[in-house]
Amino acid sequence: QTVVIQEPSSSVSPGGTVTLTCGLSSGSVSTANYASWYQQTPGQTPRMLIYNTNARSSGAPNRFSGSILGTKAALTITGAQAEDDSDFYCVLFLGSAIWQFGGGTKLTVL
Amino acid sequence: EVQLVESGGDLVQPGGSLRLSCAASGIIFSDWWMTWVRQAPGKGLEWVANIKPDGSIKQYADSVKGRFTISRDNGKDSVTLQMSSLRADDTAVYYCATSFDYAFEMGGQGTRVTVSS
Repeated sequence: QTVVIQEPSSSVSPGGTVTLTCGLSSGSVSTANYASWYQQTPGQTPRMLIYNTNARSSGAPNRFSGSILGTKAALTITGAQAEDDSDFYCVLFLGSAIWQFGGGTKLTVL
Repeated sequence: EVQLVESGGDLVQPGGSLRLSCAASGIIFSDWWMTWVRQAPGKGLEWVANIKPDGSIKQYADSVKGRFTISRDNGKDSVTLQMSSLRADDTAVYYCATSFDYAFEMGGQGTRVTVSS
């Protein structure tokens, strides 16, 4: 069974740039996986940031961008802010009517 | 503005059943795929099920296939998740979402399901 893999944790300094990735245990991520990204702070509902690999959701700050980097989907935060200290999840469409979330990345802004 | 209000969560014994509902407003409900996503305590997100706007296509995660049924009432702008043969690992907050471009917009606070004896 294919597993979606994210870094368990990452850190960035305020104002810095960080890239979070979303890969597959077997194979490469492509635009056909329609990667989307979500941010969740404790006790809150996840909010969508990026869909269809690189389309920014309405309301998502433009410091968030999505792409394919090598074999993985990527979420880049350019100019990180204190409020970005949260959990980030990706989800990939694996085909055959299956969607799978990654385990999430806990981002620390320090 | 899209509003999704989930309800129906409760404490239920293993093997029991529960019906979750999601009421939508601020959208033309009959235009949208709808989705349920869940999150176990302290864990990540899990896609559960999708339903096409006309209800003709229903898709399920393997973990719930055969036990959960998604349905919708476009006249009442609502989507339902009927859950049966519940297990401890179904314990989670269940979020309703609109779905587009293979992504999920979770617009409510979720409803909590606890499966325990």
